[in-house]
Amino acid sequence: AQTVTQSQPEMSVQEAETVTLSCTYDTSENNYYLFWYKQPPSRQMILVIRQEAYKQQNATENRFSVNFQKAAKSFSLKISDSQLGDTAMYFCAFMKPLTSYGKLTFGQGTILTVHP
Amino acid sequence: NAGVTQTPKFRVLKTGQSMTLLCAQDMNHEYMYWYRQDPGMGLRLIHYSVGEGTTAKGEVPDGYNVSRLKKQNFLLGLESAAPSQTSVYFCASSPSWDEQFFGPGTRLTVL
Repeated sequence: AQTVTQSQPEMSVQEAETVTLSCTYDTSENNYYLFWYKQPPSRQMILVIRQEAYKQQNATENRFSVNFQKAAKSFSLKISDSQLGDTAMYFCAFMKPLTSYGKLTFGQGTILTVHP
Repeated sequence: NAGVTQTPKFRVLKTGQSMTLLCAQDMNHEYMYWYRQDPGMGLRLIHYSVGEGTTAKGEVPDGYNVSRLKKQNFLLGLESAAPSQTSVYFCASSPSWDEQFFGPGTRLTVL
């Protein structure tokens, strides 16, 4: 079974600065997907970014980018130019495509607070 | 499109009562999921469905039942609620093994 670990329960950052959230996972699979989801105080789960394991290039979505280290089984999220609206709980998630019917395994979450 | 909707948004039950949570999606997605979210534990999969008329157990299925009689609906039932089932419940849908779209959640308290 896969496990996903987020070792930082809480993080804080000043507005306009950069912050990195950590995620490690354990799997024996070679092909898989990784996701970062954002959950603001509204409770709505929002997809931030995804990474396919077979792609060596790190995914980027505007101010959000990942550092995917497959050998180290590490998948960190970098938020640049942090904004107040980035305040949320962030979840890292793992998926085995094809064989797991899209089931997601989530980490424990990291609460990020952006200060003005 | 409404996306994924959940009914109700909040509910308080007494131990031993039963209830059904309704999830509906209007995106014609094949796959649907029920998760529960507890502090410090992230989201954990309760049950899932890969198509109309199918259901399967996830990581934490005990105490819950599900049904998917119509493609657009996925029901989660608690036959005899227990305080350990106090949680926030999320439904999600997906067209295949790809991005999941989540509902707004249901906060359930069992006294």
